[in-house]
Amino acid sequence: GAVVSQHPSRVICKSGTSVKIECRSLDFQATTMFWYRQFPKKSLMLMATSNEGSKATYEQGVEKDKFLINHASLTLSTLTVTSAHPEDSSFYICSAIREGKGSYNEQFFGPGTRLTVL
Amino acid sequence: RKEVEQDPGPFNVPEGATVAFNCTYSNSASQSFFWYRQDCRKEPKLLMSVYSSGNEDGRFTAQLNRASQYISLLIRDSKLSDSATYLCVPDQGGKLIFGQGTELSVKP
Repeated sequence: GAVVSQHPSRVICKSGTSVKIECRSLDFQATTMFWYRQFPKKSLMLMATSNEGSKATYEQGVEKDKFLINHASLTLSTLTVTSAHPEDSSFYICSAIREGKGSYNEQFFGPGTRLTVL
Repeated sequence: RKEVEQDPGPFNVPEGATVAFNCTYSNSASQSFFWYRQDCRKEPKLLMSVYSSGNEDGRFTAQLNRASQYISLLIRDSKLSDSATYLCVPDQGGKLIFGQGTELSVKP
């Protein structure tokens, strides 16, 4: 199957710092990637859709100035959590769409990044 | 109303048991449906797609009722390795909408 990587897998930072998370599709090109956030015992919540070469589309309630998304190439999207605060501590997961035959496009998930803000 | 509602769980079953998970979704425009499993502190992994006529993959059977906006997953002959959280996921225009999940714990 297709492989999506994330880096780093875990990060601990001080309040007020910015953290960048990378999402890479390793063996396919992805014009569309998604960023999710998951709090303990909760469902994955879609934060934004990352589109290669254009601005990301953010879900309602997600601050685009706080969660900066850049999708500069067909294999890389980055999420930067700016001025992180303890309430931003969460599990951040990306996914990438591999376009398939017909109308079926499968999403492949990265292994996630666990962010802890002290 | 939540977009996706699943059995609250957790389900604790012995090995070999049959267990069924239920899910309802609110957006009638959803066209594709999936079941994912998620292990603790890991990313979700696709278990199976759900086809309108229902489909089976080994010990797993998925059913879809569009009229009732209801999806189910049946696991037969449960294994210890089936212990995980099962996520019901409708696709809405390319976006996956995740349910909260139902936790399954299979005991020896």
